[in-house]
Amino acid sequence: DGGITQSPKYLFRKEGQNVTLSCEQNLNHDAMYWYRQDPGQGLRLIYYSQIVNDFQKGDIAEGYSVSREKKESFPLTVTSAQKNPTAFYLCASSPGTSGYEQYFGPGTRLTVT
Amino acid sequence: AQKVTQAQTEISVVEKEDVTLDCVYETRDTTYYLFWYKQPPSGELVFLIRRNSFDEQNEISGRYSWNFQKSTSSFNFTITASQVVDSAVYFCALSELTGNQFYFGTGTSLTVIP
Repeated sequence: DGGITQSPKYLFRKEGQNVTLSCEQNLNHDAMYWYRQDPGQGLRLIYYSQIVNDFQKGDIAEGYSVSREKKESFPLTVTSAQKNPTAFYLCASSPGTSGYEQYFGPGTRLTVT
Repeated sequence: AQKVTQAQTEISVVEKEDVTLDCVYETRDTTYYLFWYKQPPSGELVFLIRRNSFDEQNEISGRYSWNFQKSTSSFNFTITASQVVDSAVYFCALSELTGNQFYFGTGTSLTVIP
């Protein structure tokens, strides 16, 4: 089945630790995205990538880092510099960036204590 | 300024009632795309529909229908004869041809009461 996988579904970390969230897609999409969602709020863009080895900051990139070494993979690292990392993280992909619908993974709920 | 506004934060309806979710957008582009997504309690966003700015025809898909009006910059979503399974958060989104981002509204939480 084609789709987007994110693992794990739930993640717990101690404050001060970096943590990497996985996102893999087998849809052969060029573009991939990371969003953050806080309770009762909409989605905020963290980073996006239009093509392998290229990525751009979104609205709330501070405290996060990404890589895009393979077309199908776009991991997100939440660093210790991120002040409020506890949130629901959603990964998405699309065939391109302008005008295409985005397809979403099931999300990872990160809790940092 | 918000590019996509969903003024209704929460709506509750009784099963079988019709409900309309409002979406107002703002853009200077002449070519743009509008979307609706459903986010059930599981959390994954499900794509519902995509419309481009040159196609103002209303669309119907089963119990779902969408009304796109450029004159009022609105792209409203109606669920007819609502069901409990329709309970979710619904997001409206905008993509501009000249940009690389989606702009999401803040979502409308719909609860359908049996």
